[in-house]
Amino acid sequence: DGGITQSPKYLFRKEGQNVTLSCEQNLNHDAMYWYRQDPGQGLRLIYYSQIVNDFQKGDIAEGYSVSREKKESFPLTVTSAQKNPTAFYLCASSIGDRLGETQYFGPGTRLLVL
Amino acid sequence: AQKITQTQPGMFVQEKEAVTLDCTYDTSDQSYGLFWYKQPSSGEMIFLIYQGSYDEQNATEGRYSLNFQKARKSANLVISASQLGDSAMYFCAMRGWGGGGSNYKLTFGKGTLLTVNP
Repeated sequence: DGGITQSPKYLFRKEGQNVTLSCEQNLNHDAMYWYRQDPGQGLRLIYYSQIVNDFQKGDIAEGYSVSREKKESFPLTVTSAQKNPTAFYLCASSIGDRLGETQYFGPGTRLLVL
Repeated sequence: AQKITQTQPGMFVQEKEAVTLDCTYDTSDQSYGLFWYKQPSSGEMIFLIYQGSYDEQNATEGRYSLNFQKARKSANLVISASQLGDSAMYFCAMRGWGGGGSNYKLTFGKGTLLTVNP
């Protein structure tokens, strides 16, 4: 089955620790995205990547970093510089970057601070 | 800048009845797309329906239809014959195509929580 997988489902971060959220897709999509969702809010874009070895900052990139070494994978690192990381993180992908192309989402990772 | 407004924090509907979820948007882009997603309690965002700004007909996908009124900048989702499994958060989102960095992202509203009663 084609789809997007995210792991872990729940992640706990200690003060000053960097943590990495995994996102893998087997849809052969070129574009991948990371969004953050806070309670009672819509999603906000953290980073996106249109192609391997290239990525761009979204609206709330501070305190986060990404890499795109493989087409299938787009991991997100939440660094210690992110002071309020508790949120639900959703990874998405789309065939490309054209207007009508739908973004499909993974099941999400819930990050909690200890 | 793009903005999506969903004015209904919560909606209730009886099973088998139709329900309309409101969405208004604001953008300076000439071309744009409007999307609706469903988010059940599990958290995954499920794509429901898409409408392009130049599409002349309203989009339909099974029990979902999008009531697109361009002049009023509204893109309401209509769910016919509601089912218990339709209970979820529903998000309206848009994507612009006018340069200025708006091409790549979806801008989301805050969502409407739909509860279907038996």
